[in-house]
Amino acid sequence: QQPVQSPQAVILREGEDAVINCSSSKALYSVHWYRQKHGEAPVFLMILLKGGEQKGHEKISASFNEKKQQSSLYLTASQLSYSGTYFCGTQFNDYKLSFGAGTTVTVRA
Amino acid sequence: DGGITQSPKYLFRKEGQNVTLSCEQNLNHDAMYWYRQDPGQGLRLIYYSQIVNDFQKGDIAEGYSVSREKKESFPLTVTSAQKNPTAFYLCASSITLSQPQHFGDGTRLSIL
Repeated sequence: QQPVQSPQAVILREGEDAVINCSSSKALYSVHWYRQKHGEAPVFLMILLKGGEQKGHEKISASFNEKKQQSSLYLTASQLSYSGTYFCGTQFNDYKLSFGAGTTVTVRA
Repeated sequence: DGGITQSPKYLFRKEGQNVTLSCEQNLNHDAMYWYRQDPGQGLRLIYYSQIVNDFQKGDIAEGYSVSREKKESFPLTVTSAQKNPTAFYLCASSITLSQPQHFGDGTRLSIL
């Protein structure tokens, strides 16, 4: 039931874009996205509910493709502060979150 | 300011010893959670609680126990039955199960 995240890691230069995918084998109720910086607690970014809506946080946005049971997180014009590990959490009807293994993003000057 | 407080920040356990990790929140959230994080891995759910005096097993509950006697408190006991307890433990809370989770700063547990 754990969602699959890809890629495992990505290295960017400031200003570049990246996409992180989160896929599930089961029908999803919602997808949560969190970012964790090294040695710190994860911080909530956004929730997407089934229905395909797109949300944004700074220049970070996400979409939810209900047909594919997949969510994508878009990092646009990346900044140094975007570095960290991004986790998606998926919820089915029982509302219990299952987290993916994470995608480590490194943004270099 | 509202938030989640985990203590201690670092904890050392001897073989065969039970230890209890504290988690307190003043956000008035109904739901609380315990996660385990191993190096380079994601968050694995140990236990969660939707309301006071009720809790459910997560994906890796064996060797752990919890209680939820007060809304603001959700302590986790790592028992001697947990053979590989060395990990980073995170406590979280949310208004309900479907709402965003707020995390504490974590407790790092090591075996002596």
